[in-house]
Amino acid sequence: GQSLEQPSEVTAVEGAIVQINCTYQTSGFYGLSWYQQHDGGAPTFLSYNALDGLEETGRFSSFLSRSDSYGYLLLQELQMKDSASYFCAVRDPDAQAAGNKLTFGGGTRVLVKP
Amino acid sequence: EAGVVQSPRYKIIEKKQPVAFWCNPISGHNTLYWYRQNLGQGPELLIRYENEEAVDDSQLPKDRFSAERLKGVDSTLKIQPAELGDSAVYLCASSFGDSNEQFFGPGTRLTVL
Repeated sequence: GQSLEQPSEVTAVEGAIVQINCTYQTSGFYGLSWYQQHDGGAPTFLSYNALDGLEETGRFSSFLSRSDSYGYLLLQELQMKDSASYFCAVRDPDAQAAGNKLTFGGGTRVLVKP
Repeated sequence: EAGVVQSPRYKIIEKKQPVAFWCNPISGHNTLYWYRQNLGQGPELLIRYENEEAVDDSQLPKDRFSAERLKGVDSTLKIQPAELGDSAVYLCASSFGDSNEQFFGPGTRLTVL
């Protein structure tokens, strides 16, 4: 089975930088995804890392270390609208070639204060 | 482009009653997923379809849950009978081919009294 751990909650002020860590234990691994979900809203895709290293997309960056079974999402120049839950998710290696199965972590609730 | 559409958005039922959720994925997306999300937790996969075939239903409680995806487009998830523990948000998502990105609908919030 898959097991993912991430902090339950992080609080920061506008303009700050927040790093959300995700550690995983899996029997196999294709890649690590990150999703954002506002209260009452749908999860939306942020990033996917299949290889080690840092992927940057605007204010958000995602990092992966396969050897450490670890990744993180970096939120820079925090804005009030970034207050949401952030989920890491492992792509399941048992999935068939077409489509993919994700196993989600419990989520990190980020609260941005003025 | 329209996103994933789900209905109803909210449903309140008494325990032991049946309930059904409907999902219309993004046009052209061959893969469709149903997830259940409990409060304060991440989504958990219930079933995954490739076109009209259910390729992964290992986490679907088959004694009371059923799903179908006729013609490989719309899908319906049914619970009969509902139990108190079924209260959750039921999310539908879709993706195209081997894409790493899944597109989620707004979900149906089910409350079982």
